[in-house]
Amino acid sequence: AQSVTQLDSHVSVSEGTPVLLRCNYSSSYSPSLFWYVQHPNKGLQLLLKYTSAATLVKGINGFEAEFKKSETSFHLTKPSAHMSDAAEYFCVVSYGGSQGNLIFGKGTKLSVKP
Amino acid sequence: DAGVIQSPRHEVTEMGQEVTLRCKPISGHNSLFWYRQTMMRGLELLIYFNNNVPIDDSGMPEDRFSAKMPNASFSTLKIQPSEPRDSAVYFCASSFSGPRETQYFGPGTRLLVL
Repeated sequence: AQSVTQLDSHVSVSEGTPVLLRCNYSSSYSPSLFWYVQHPNKGLQLLLKYTSAATLVKGINGFEAEFKKSETSFHLTKPSAHMSDAAEYFCVVSYGGSQGNLIFGKGTKLSVKP
Repeated sequence: DAGVIQSPRHEVTEMGQEVTLRCKPISGHNSLFWYRQTMMRGLELLIYFNNNVPIDDSGMPEDRFSAKMPNASFSTLKIQPSEPRDSAVYFCASSFSGPRETQYFGPGTRLLVL
């Protein structure tokens, strides 16, 4: 069965230090991969997506993610955390075409300390 | 564009009552998704429409839940009768063409069933 695993439910960093949020997926087909962010009491917003083009994907707010097929990973990184980055982050995998099969990770809550 | 519009934003009802949640997708988008988010289960896809036709409703919890999309600009999610365990935040999202495209989320409806 297809699956996506976010390895950390909670990550805490200090402002100005790097951010690493980990995501692994099961691999049966060529997936589309997404990272979404959810700020408190808000809907989800797309950070970036991978759809079989460049393996290093740049998103909004300085985030980027690298698709590594050999490791079935799509980790999200940012060189320097900002207080406004505190939110919950979801790794999402889509297999198949118009028939759907969208799978959300459990989410990683990012805390940023001053 | 106003983005995805959901109403009501908050709903408090008593067990056994009918609840209707509404969604207006972004104009020009032909795919619409309903999600439920709880602390226990995270974010779950309930149903997905493409061109107003339900494509995948495998996430709909039980017969008490029903969703319709009578036209390209409107969808409803109905719960009848409601139960306390239905308390959650319900999100609607739309995309240009299917789950592999970027989904734009509404602000959500926070439902509390007493």
